[in-house]
Amino acid sequence: RKEVEQDPGPFNVPEGATVAFNCTYSNSASQSFFWYRQDCRKEPKLLMSVYSSGNEDGRFTAQLNRASQYISLLIRDSKLSDSATYLCVVNTRNNDMRFGAGTRLTVKP
Amino acid sequence: NAGVTQTPKFRILKIGQSMTLQCTQDMNHNYMYWYRQDPGMGLKLIYYSVGAGITDKGEVPNGYNVSRSTTEDFPLRLELAAPSQTSVYFCASSYSTMTGAGGYTFGSGTRLTVV
Repeated sequence: RKEVEQDPGPFNVPEGATVAFNCTYSNSASQSFFWYRQDCRKEPKLLMSVYSSGNEDGRFTAQLNRASQYISLLIRDSKLSDSATYLCVVNTRNNDMRFGAGTRLTVKP
Repeated sequence: NAGVTQTPKFRILKIGQSMTLQCTQDMNHNYMYWYRQDPGMGLKLIYYSVGAGITDKGEVPNGYNVSRSTTEDFPLRLELAAPSQTSVYFCASSYSTMTGAGGYTFGSGTRLTVV
C-alpha cells in the first residue's frame, strides 16, 4: 500500500462546479498535512495546510479525518485558473514529507 | 527576493557522465531538500539537510551525493549517470519541518535526461 494515495484523475468539470478530492495516508503517526498545487511543468506550490478542525481559504476547504486517515480538498465555484494537479502531502516524521501522485483537475468553460 | 534558485533548467547527459545540480536559497532557511518527480508518481525524497554541515539520506539516495557547506547552497551530485535517473529534480527549502504554516518553497526544477 502506498503511503499517500489520491483519487485517480483526471477530473473534468465545468466552470462554477464544486469538486472534491480525497487522499488517504497509511501512517497513523502522521503529524502535518498539506495540499499543494502544481501547474504543468512547474514546481509545486503550497495551497493550504490542513488542520484537525478543518480550515477554509476562500473557495477552498480542507478537512482532516484522523480516525479514517484521510484528508480532503473541496473547491467551490471552480475557475478556469484552478486547472492544475493537486498534491496531497503528509509529514510522516521529521524531515520526511510524503507526496501523493496528484490528482489532475481541468476546469472547462 | 529570489527564493529557491535551481540551475540548470534542462540537461541531457550520456550514460556514465557526471554532473552537479545547483540549488541556492536566500531565505535563510535551515532545512533543504532534493526531490525527484517521475511521470505519474509522487515526489520522492533523495537527500535532505537540517543545516550547514549536516546531510542525511531520504527515500531514494542511491546514485546521488550532496553537500551543505553553507546555509544557502545545497548541490546534488550525480556521479555515474544512468537512464533510471531521467527525471525532474526539485530542490526545496523550509523554515521548519513540523509546521502547519509555510510548508516548502520549491525551486523551478531541473529536467534531466540520461541517454
